Amino acid sequence: QVQLKETGPGLVQPTQTLSITCTVSGFSLTSYYMQWVRQTPGKGLEWMGFIRSGGSTEYNSEFKSRLSISRDTSKNQVFLKMNSLKTEDTGVYYCARDHWPGYFDFWGPGTMVTVSS
Amino acid sequence: DVQMTQSPSYLAASPGESVSISCKASKSINTYLAWYQEKPGKTNKLLIYSGSTLQSGTPSRFSGSGSGTDFTLTIRSLEPEDFAVYYCQQHNEYPLTFGSGTKLEIK
Repeated sequence: QVQLKETGPGLVQPTQTLSITCTVSGFSLTSYYMQWVRQTPGKGLEWMGFIRSGGSTEYNSEFKSRLSISRDTSKNQVFLKMNSLKTEDTGVYYCARDHWPGYFDFWGPGTMVTVSS
Repeated sequence: DVQMTQSPSYLAASPGESVSISCKASKSINTYLAWYQEKPGKTNKLLIYSGSTLQSGTPSRFSGSGSGTDFTLTIRSLEPEDFAVYYCQQHNEYPLTFGSGTKLEIK
């Protein structure tokens, strides 16, 4: 069955870089777009960006300058990296499988990230 | 960006009752609206997409309606497992945007 699971650092210091891994099973990353969504106290649910089945990416302009999404298809993993973290980036980060056109048919449980010194 | 306004933010109802949740878009999104259910300890669940199409496995007591800018999620004859938080999301254009959520609690 389809499963997704995010793994993150839990706590990140301000100005540092966040790295989260999404490990999937039950489907191929070469057949589906993969999305990243976060939920913060200040802005609720926010779409961050996606990586296409072919490997190209698109980002929300809110994050474009500091966000990077990549993948390793051999390991069934998708990666999110975001730099220059601020306290407002504290929240739960989700990976989700995209179903055209642009909704999410499976989500991971999310990983809580706290940005604090 | 399309702003999604969801209401109410909080709703209390009893099992067996019917409830409706509204989601309004700041501009037309055709019928491209999805509804999700969020419950503690579970992954977010897609209920409805494209305004009114039930995702496989969604009970028939859930229904979605609307087009353009106004959409409604209706749950008929509430079951105990329906008490959760519900979110709408427009999937007409990028950036994808979400409503702020409706918490449905037991009265």
